[in-house]
Amino acid sequence: AQSVTQLDSQVPVFEEAPVELRCNYSSSVSVYLFWYVQYPNQGLQLLLKYLSGSTLVKGINGFEAEFNKSQTSFHLRKPSVHISDTAEYFCAVSAAMNYGGSQGNLIFGKGTKLSVKP
Amino acid sequence: KAGVTQTPRYLIKTRGQQVTLSCSPISGHRSVSWYQQTPGQGLQFLFEYFSETQRNKGNFPGRFSGRQFSNSRSEMNVSTLELGDSALYLCASSLQPRGEGEKLFFGSGTQLSVL
Repeated sequence: AQSVTQLDSQVPVFEEAPVELRCNYSSSVSVYLFWYVQYPNQGLQLLLKYLSGSTLVKGINGFEAEFNKSQTSFHLRKPSVHISDTAEYFCAVSAAMNYGGSQGNLIFGKGTKLSVKP
Repeated sequence: KAGVTQTPRYLIKTRGQQVTLSCSPISGHRSVSWYQQTPGQGLQFLFEYFSETQRNKGNFPGRFSGRQFSNSRSEMNVSTLELGDSALYLCASSLQPRGEGEKLFFGSGTQLSVL
């Protein structure tokens, strides 16, 4: 089974500052990793995903994440945040396809609320 | 292309009642998953359907059930509602349940309040 830990429930930052949202996972098999964002009163949108290959993954809205297998981490970063980035961010994991993973069955972290202040 | 549509958007029920939530996936998507989102537990996987068959089920009691129709639309039913069932129920669709490169497309959810 897989599990995800998002170490920070809330992260306040000032506009144009860099931000890192932390995510650690545990799994006995290879995994796929995802970051989703949820804006107020909306569903989730995929920011980026890691399936295989390059450990640095670039997503939408200037976000990127780095897969670190030795530290079982998948931290999300943005060099300069905007007010519009204020949202809740979810890290998610699924077992890789060849281990029976399914795109529909994701294990989510508890979320990190990013609050960008002017 | 229309996104994932969930109805109703808001629902208020009392304990002991039952409720049915509806989800219409993106046209052409055959996989539908359901998640429960609460402030305390976060997002928890309920079940996943593909081609009218349940492929995966999360750790929820039997009061939670679902089905998928031939047009890929899905319904979720909760019987004998409890206060703890108050949550945002999210539906997500994808082309296939398995496969690299797929991503989930989420609806805006149904906010269920149990009084």
